[in-house]
Amino acid sequence: KQEVTQIPAALSVPEGENLVLNCSFTDSAIYNLQWFRQDPGKGLTSLLLIQSSQREQTSGRLNASLDKSSGRSTLYIAASQPGDSATYLCAVSNAGNMLTFGGGTRLMVKP
Amino acid sequence: DAEITQSPRHKITETGRQVTLACHQTWNHNNMFWYRQDLGHGLRLIHYSYGVQDTNKGEVSDGYSVSRSNTEDLPLTLESAASSQTSVYFCASSPGEDYEQYFGPGTRLTVT
Repeated sequence: KQEVTQIPAALSVPEGENLVLNCSFTDSAIYNLQWFRQDPGKGLTSLLLIQSSQREQTSGRLNASLDKSSGRSTLYIAASQPGDSATYLCAVSNAGNMLTFGGGTRLMVKP
Repeated sequence: DAEITQSPRHKITETGRQVTLACHQTWNHNNMFWYRQDLGHGLRLIHYSYGVQDTNKGEVSDGYSVSRSNTEDLPLTLESAASSQTSVYFCASSPGEDYEQYFGPGTRLTVT
């Protein structure tokens, strides 16, 4: 059974810092990995999708990397802003397009 | 713009009642999913469908059912609501295995 772990569970940083969120998974036979953002009381917003054959994806200040063989992904946020405060979720897709989620990292960026 | 919607957004019901949560997407995606989100458990898959007349059980399917009579809709039914089913429910859709999933805004269900 696939298990996904996110470390740290919570993170507080001052505005402007670069930061890294970590995601690990136990079964490397994944189709893709997706990073989401969730604001309190809201739905999930897809940030980045990395296919299993890719090493990284970039969108604006966000960069996600994937090392399938070691079962790890990182989400790098450059020059963090208070508006980046949210919970970030990592999810992996095995055969069948079904997602297994990590527990999330709750990020607070202080002005 | 294409989108995925859920209704109702909030619902309070009593133990033992049948409840149906609606999910509607306008992208014409084949794959649709229902997840529940709980503190301490994260998001878990309830049921999923790969197309019309296709439904499959997920990790936490007991007490839930779905039906897929068209491409756009995947309603989730709680046959006899229990307090353990108090949760936030999210519907998602995807064009296929190599594509990302898009999530609806969620339904907060309270069973008293």
